[in-house]
Amino acid sequence: QLQLQESGPGLVKPSETLSLTCTVSGGSISSSSYYWGWIRQPPGKVLEWIGNIYYSGRTYYNPSLKSRVTISVDTSKNQFSLKLSSVTAADTAVYYCARLTVGTTYYFDYWGQGTLVTVSS
Amino acid sequence: QSALTQPRSVSGSPGQSVTISCTGTSSDVGGYNYVSWYQQHPGKAPKLIIYDVSKRPSGVPDRFSGSKSGNTASLTISGLQAEDDADYYCCSYAGSYTLFGGGTKLTVL
Repeated sequence: QLQLQESGPGLVKPSETLSLTCTVSGGSISSSSYYWGWIRQPPGKVLEWIGNIYYSGRTYYNPSLKSRVTISVDTSKNQFSLKLSSVTAADTAVYYCARLTVGTTYYFDYWGQGTLVTVSS
Repeated sequence: QSALTQPRSVSGSPGQSVTISCTGTSSDVGGYNYVSWYQQHPGKAPKLIIYDVSKRPSGVPDRFSGSKSGNTASLTISGLQAEDDADYYCCSYAGSYTLFGGGTKLTVL
């Protein structure tokens, strides 16, 4: 059974960089059928797509966050990571990593449990 | 690009049916048959319940169904049960990016 697990600091200071890692177990991150994504949800608010990455390193980002976001992949560790720079309180959210099945289809079928990141001094 | 438009809330009694709409544009919902729906209970990660407009993943009850007409997709839940009380989000492929809806709170009365 595929599992995804987010990890990283739960508290980040304003103007600093948020860094999270998603570890994939029970399957290979290098499969050609999948992208890997980050989605966030501010407390009490709605889901927001951040971006996706393919095992080759190809990325797609939310245009509204693109200037601050970097998603990378480490196939040797079966992990992918998120960096969000110059954070403010508005970036406080539960951050989810998820598997995106693609091809002649497009959906997030496996999700991590989510990790709360609070931006505060 | 804006979030897909969903009603903020819907409600129904056990055994009844409800339909949640998800309105986008010809660049997202209307342009591709790549609409998915997710159910989210409080404090939990979203769960996929419909993909490719109308397909159900294994293990999802056939009480959940999806459809699309033009730029609007719909999720119908028939035979409402107490455990259906949750938030529901639509999601659409939009070319180089992905859009989620604003979410709908379903209350089972």
